[in-house]
Amino acid sequence: DARVTQTPRHKVTEMGQEVTMRCQPILGHNTVFWYRQTMMQGLELLAYFRNRAPLDDSGMPKDRFSAEMPDATLATLKIQPSEPRDSAVYFCASAAMGAQYSNQPQHFGDGTRLSIL
Amino acid sequence: GQNIDQPTEMTATEGAIVQINCTYQTSGFNGLFWYQQHAGEAPTFLSYNVLDGLEEKGRFSSFLSRSKGYSYLLLKELQMKDSASYLCAVRDYGRGSTLGRLYFGRGTQLTVWP
Repeated sequence: DARVTQTPRHKVTEMGQEVTMRCQPILGHNTVFWYRQTMMQGLELLAYFRNRAPLDDSGMPKDRFSAEMPDATLATLKIQPSEPRDSAVYFCASAAMGAQYSNQPQHFGDGTRLSIL
Repeated sequence: GQNIDQPTEMTATEGAIVQINCTYQTSGFNGLFWYQQHAGEAPTFLSYNVLDGLEEKGRFSSFLSRSKGYSYLLLKELQMKDSASYLCAVRDYGRGSTLGRLYFGRGTQLTVWP
């Protein structure tokens, strides 16, 4: 089965350090989402891309977070500088979206478990 | 913004039937999804409804009433492995939303006891 691949699976680092998370969407999917999940807030959308173009990043703190899609097989989410409150699980999801794909779900990667000390 | 409400927790016993409700408010409803998420794992897709009625998929069924802004997920013949969080998500193409995104509820943590 095709899968969304995320790296790293776990990351522990000290506050102030740069963190880069990577995502390989399912081949053929044209839309990529970045989510953050915490016990307090649940699943929050940070940003998403369609055909590599950013569509919405209103959920992302702009001063320290950035999301890019250098090519169709790679999406990145960076935090610089990182803070303890950024500790969460970060999920990437991809989907085939368009009128002919209206019933297609988002497929999630296994997530990056981030701890900022 | 979109308001999606579902109970925080539910419990049931093996072999029983459980119904997890979800209510929502949208300005441009365009589909409702249910996801299952086991502890420490990714959400996985369970079901999709866009028209009123019941969609059945093995032990799981999902129902939608667009006029009431209401859906439920029905799990039959519960098994221990069904213990997980169940997330309701709505796709909204209306004013104030961005095309194609999903709005997720906080999830319902289901515990199945032997």
